[in-house]
Amino acid sequence: GAGVSQSPSNKVTEKGKDVELRCDPISGHTALYWYRQRLGQGLEFLIYFQGNSAPDKSGLPSDRFSAERTGESVSTLTIQRTQQEDSAVYLCASSPRRSGGALTDTQYFGPGTRLTVL
Amino acid sequence: AQSVAQPEDQVNVAEGNPLTVKCTYSVSGNPYLFWYVQYPNRGLQFLLKYITGDNLVKGSYGFEAEFNKSQTSFHLKKPSALVSDSALYFCAVRGLGGADGLTFGKGTHLIIQP
Repeated sequence: GAGVSQSPSNKVTEKGKDVELRCDPISGHTALYWYRQRLGQGLEFLIYFQGNSAPDKSGLPSDRFSAERTGESVSTLTIQRTQQEDSAVYLCASSPRRSGGALTDTQYFGPGTRLTVL
Repeated sequence: AQSVAQPEDQVNVAEGNPLTVKCTYSVSGNPYLFWYVQYPNRGLQFLLKYITGDNLVKGSYGFEAEFNKSQTSFHLKKPSALVSDSALYFCAVRGLGGADGLTFGKGTHLIIQP
């Protein structure tokens, strides 16, 4: 079946502009995660959705970052007033995790969106 | 807080030799441990995970990992390396009380020389 997809694959923007990154999870996966991967670094957790609810926003680096999810489907990560330090690859993952458990669920990752802020 | 350390930025192995990529972790309670591989310009691919039970976990592409509770380690291994194994490998952990996301190490570049 289809895996996690993300769009655009690459985004170049000017400092101060807003950007929207999109993630389509695997069909039927209730949990969705956003991560950021800076050059030469590991992945930083940003936010987790269970359905369209975001019980864990602890990783969002500033109030310029926000995310939404429609039901158990598409999610959008929005970065307002982009800064050069926002340049990174933004990865989305989904898992079949059901509410109330499953720390053990495997997360399946999309190919990422490479964001470059000039 | 939970954390993962991958002490080697790069590991070089000759094709056909055994390989080991090291990972140590820190977490409250029982750890749930994962290995992922990342090929250039691609997302992360799941290799294997440890939840409970047998300390030796077998995964995709002939990889395995050994969980060692006393040493808080979860090293990735393969008996005979292939050139196609060359990639970036990430260890990750999840534990009770941590964030819902995975906590990743910084990654280890594995280079298999023909």
